[in-house]
Amino acid sequence: GQQLNQSPQSMFIQEGEDVSMNCTSSSIFNTWLWYKQDPGEGPVLLIALYKAGELTSNGRLTAQFGITRKDSFLNISASIPSDVGIYFCAGSATGNQFYFGTGTSLTVIP
Amino acid sequence: NAGVTQTPKFQVLKTGQSMTLQCAQDMNHEYMSWYRQDPGMGLRLIHYSVGAGITDQGEVPNGYNVSRSTTEDFPLRLLSAAPSQTSVYFCASSRSSGGYYEQYFGPGTRLTVT
Repeated sequence: GQQLNQSPQSMFIQEGEDVSMNCTSSSIFNTWLWYKQDPGEGPVLLIALYKAGELTSNGRLTAQFGITRKDSFLNISASIPSDVGIYFCAGSATGNQFYFGTGTSLTVIP
Repeated sequence: NAGVTQTPKFQVLKTGQSMTLQCAQDMNHEYMSWYRQDPGMGLRLIHYSVGAGITDQGEVPNGYNVSRSTTEDFPLRLLSAAPSQTSVYFCASSRSSGGYYEQYFGPGTRLTVT
């Protein structure tokens, strides 16, 4: 299957700090999605990206569709305790099959 | 709107038993998918459907069957459960219009096979 490398695997940060994570694939994608998952819940869609170079924000979250179409980046500014969770990237070339990264576990220390 | 709903939320099966995980969406989405999530791994695609009557295999289809008779429903069947199928199962749906594929997930079914 398609391999998506997501890094870092985990992050421990102080409240108020900025966070960056990224995802790379071995293939070109036409869609990148970023999700947050809380324990015992399903993933919740945060940001969707559809064009190379696209930069999209959702509140304190900003995501970018890499120019090569093989990577994507998510930034969280001024982290707060409720940002805690696991963040997943997902990519697709066709829209009907998405491949997921292994997740970045974020811990915010008050 | 309820979005994507899944039942049951929890299930315990014995090896060899069969069961169906239910998934329904009320967003009139054409695309629906089933994923499994195992510790330390991302979500892996089991089967997907691009519309009623059309299904296809994903990355890990063995041991699972699906059908899609209506736009709303996409059940996942385990014909003979095995311990390796212990996992959390998520159903997702997405629209397909205009090339914008925003995929939304249900709350999941936690399955344990003993």
